[in-house]
Amino acid sequence: GEDVEQSLFLSVREGDSSVINCTYTDSSSTYLYWYKQEPGAGLQLLTYIFSNMDMKQDQRLTVLLNKKDKHLSLRIADTQTGDSAIYFCAETPGTDKLIFGTGTRLQVFP
Amino acid sequence: NAGVMQNPRHLVRRRGQEARLRCSPMKGHSHVYWYRQLPEEGLKFMVYLQKENIIDESGMPKERFSAEFPKEGPSILRIQQVVRGDSAAYFCASSPSRDGEQFFGPGTRLTVL
Repeated sequence: GEDVEQSLFLSVREGDSSVINCTYTDSSSTYLYWYKQEPGAGLQLLTYIFSNMDMKQDQRLTVLLNKKDKHLSLRIADTQTGDSAIYFCAETPGTDKLIFGTGTRLQVFP
Repeated sequence: NAGVMQNPRHLVRRRGQEARLRCSPMKGHSHVYWYRQLPEEGLKFMVYLQKENIIDESGMPKERFSAEFPKEGPSILRIQQVVRGDSAAYFCASSPSRDGEQFFGPGTRLTVL
């Protein structure tokens, strides 16, 4: 099937690290993406990782990829209240369309 | 360079009416994708178009839904005889190439009364 799975909620304290997990379905996906959606807004591409990499770091964001387990994670260091949003992982399983996960709602409290 | 534009941002229709959603891609982008987000769910692919051609419509419901991307003007997603289950946020994305990054618009939120 084409179900990309994520946990629904994550709550963290401001300043802590957040780790959002994703299990994708198709090992042929060339790129894997993380998008952020703020309330009432569209999607913003945060970062992506090429399938032949196992880690990518971009400022406060670290993406880890375990191809064997089809597991993708996004770590946000020093989480801020402005990071509160819904985070979607997405894969491109050999096609042009994006297959999105169910989304993880991140809530940051002071 | 303006981003992807969608209008209207909010659309209210009664059951049985038609909804027309518009998407203007970024300048220089000839590839357009439509996605639907039902309440509390992720985005689901609907259709992929390249100027005047439908490339992949595997996510489009078989009836009442159609999409076009004419040579001139925006891409249109048309929903005929809307039902309550069509209430959702509809997002458009554009890309400069078939496997390029997709840039998303702000979405159109359709409410069917």
